[in-house]
Amino acid sequence: QQQVKQSPQSLIVQKGGISIINCAYENTAFDYFPWYQQFPGKGPALLIAIRPDVSEKKEGRFTISFNKSAKQFSLHIMDSQPGDSATYFCAASESGGSEKLVFGKGTKLTVNP
Amino acid sequence: NAGVMQNPRHLVRRRGQEARLRCSPMKGHSHVYWYRQLPEEGLKFMVYLQKENIIDESGMPKERFSAEFPKEGPSILRIQQVVRGDSAAYFCASSPIGVGEQYFGPGTRLTVT
Repeated sequence: QQQVKQSPQSLIVQKGGISIINCAYENTAFDYFPWYQQFPGKGPALLIAIRPDVSEKKEGRFTISFNKSAKQFSLHIMDSQPGDSATYFCAASESGGSEKLVFGKGTKLTVNP
Repeated sequence: NAGVMQNPRHLVRRRGQEARLRCSPMKGHSHVYWYRQLPEEGLKFMVYLQKENIIDESGMPKERFSAEFPKEGPSILRIQQVVRGDSAAYFCASSPIGVGEQYFGPGTRLTVT
């Protein structure tokens, strides 16, 4: 049973455009939602994270939008650059337990110059 | 401040051999998580450890796999009698207090021939 569903599987955007990646979760006990960026052959790097007490968080060109009632959250990358080309993973965890992260299957983003 | 360190970065083992993967968390972090990533897949939680304690091993296969995080030295993920299906990237993440942010190492890519 996949607890975090991520879409799309792949995404191609032109330089300067907006990249949008969506995730949906099932477990209402999840209360921490990070996004990770992974380049080929590297480990995932924490990009930005949000907790359910806010509906939006922005850091530079990256914004997380969170909809608690719909159990959905999304990553927006503004002014996308070729250097943003990577695989992006959403994840979720539940506090009070082991805090293990449950990951989506990833979105491969390609930003064309 | 050095990040999470993992070694070796690449490991080749023949079927039936043992694989030992090592992880040194970030300085000041006492919580370690191990994840496995299969090709074109997201990361799957395996085990969560604190110094000298296994807190959650719900994602660990029941046989052949074990993990430890001794009082001194790195965390070790040990796979006995490896099979081809064990070929994957194994990532370690550390956290300062076991809540929220997890920082990943570069991974160990295990190939079983």
